Amino acid sequence: DAGVIQSPRHEVTEMGQEVTLRCKPISGHNSLFWYRQTMMRGLELLIYFNNNVPIDDSGMPEDRFSAKMPNASFSTLKIQPSEPRDSAVYFCASSLGRQGSGSPLHFGNGTRLTVT
Amino acid sequence: DAKTTQPPSMDCAEGRAANLPCNHSTISGNEYVYWYRQIHSQGPQYIIHGLKNNETNEMASLIITEDRKSSTLILPHATLRDTAVYYCIVRGSQGNLIFGKGTKLSVKP
Repeated sequence: DAGVIQSPRHEVTEMGQEVTLRCKPISGHNSLFWYRQTMMRGLELLIYFNNNVPIDDSGMPEDRFSAKMPNASFSTLKIQPSEPRDSAVYFCASSLGRQGSGSPLHFGNGTRLTVT
Repeated sequence: DAKTTQPPSMDCAEGRAANLPCNHSTISGNEYVYWYRQIHSQGPQYIIHGLKNNETNEMASLIITEDRKSSTLILPHATLRDTAVYYCIVRGSQGNLIFGKGTKLSVKP
């Protein structure tokens, strides 16, 4: 079991550039979550997919952020244009099941994004 | 979604049991209680979860009160590697996890 795989592990970019974070969920899982963690705000849920369909994107900060899940084994989180305040660790998680599910979320090791 | 309340920090002596409390007085009947921990900036690690009954696995035990308004995570023999932030979470109706500030557990030699 390879677990949730995120890439890149670290990303340093300049303000205004486009950033794409990638996630491969655990095979067979049908729910995928993107979280962001900062010292000030802790872990925040950005968006949640079930069966490749976005269910709740109310945590996405603004239009500069977008997420896609073209198939069951891949998701991207894109920031365009990036700003210094987007600097954070971004985590992807996956689970089996949806509402009321007793199935735990499994997290990747995150992407540390630094925007200068 | 039900909120949880945890102490911000706790200390525990190495080799002793660590008992981490959590209050979730507004939990509804079909919501699970989950525990995760996070070491440094690694991804949160799943520990255990339960609905009504007490649960035990190779990592920990989860004791849920009969009224389900509180729970306790027990690490039976804490080691230095158990030093981490521990999150108690009630899983929301959409299936997502809403993290609070957690309890910073420091295991001391």
